[in-house]
Amino acid sequence: AQKITQTQPGMFVQEKEAVTLDCTYDTSDPSYGLFWYKQPSSGEMIFLIYQGSYDQQNATEGRYSLNFQKARKSANLVISASQLGDSAMYFCAMSETGAGSYQLTFGKGTKLSVIP
Amino acid sequence: DGGITQSPKYLFRKEGQNVTLSCEQNLNHDAMYWYRQDPGQGLRLIYYSQIVNDFQKGDIAEGYSVSREKKESFPLTVTSAQKNPTAFYLCASSITRVYNEQFFGPGTRLTVL
Repeated sequence: AQKITQTQPGMFVQEKEAVTLDCTYDTSDPSYGLFWYKQPSSGEMIFLIYQGSYDQQNATEGRYSLNFQKARKSANLVISASQLGDSAMYFCAMSETGAGSYQLTFGKGTKLSVIP
Repeated sequence: DGGITQSPKYLFRKEGQNVTLSCEQNLNHDAMYWYRQDPGQGLRLIYYSQIVNDFQKGDIAEGYSVSREKKESFPLTVTSAQKNPTAFYLCASSITRVYNEQFFGPGTRLTVL
């Protein structure tokens, strides 16, 4: 079974609108972390936002927020006021305490295209 | 500036040749990782190392080898045993705790001719 599922291969959003990228995860570990990364066409991976499994509040970083619904095992990324520079691949990832290796498991990604 | 460097950016290899991809970090991170990225596949872990002189296989280690002789360096060798090595390779590093942000290098695009 996939540990991280991103069901939207591609998304379009109008400039200045908000967009939600979906991510569901599967783990039996009570302690885990959820991450979102952005990958522009240049290939670099840019860290956006992090949510810990014990965090009570949803994480926010500027225009990025993470809609964390623990019971549903979902960690959706919300980008407000989209900009043309937001066009990129977006990856959801998870680390688990039980793994003991600090490694991240990535989803397959969502390609976001921002339309002027 | 602190960060991760990977070289070369582009690499071409003939079938049957081994090639080594370089990864260096000056972030003083203990852990380093190698990922492979194919179109539509996301990132898959090849090898990781949490401390000097120790490393562990990831999900797709077959046909690859690594070394970790220095904290700053984690080179990846793609051997001739790797059946389909054409891919984008990303190196990352982090501190060793569960809630760790991984910092990534710019990547190396390997093409087998």
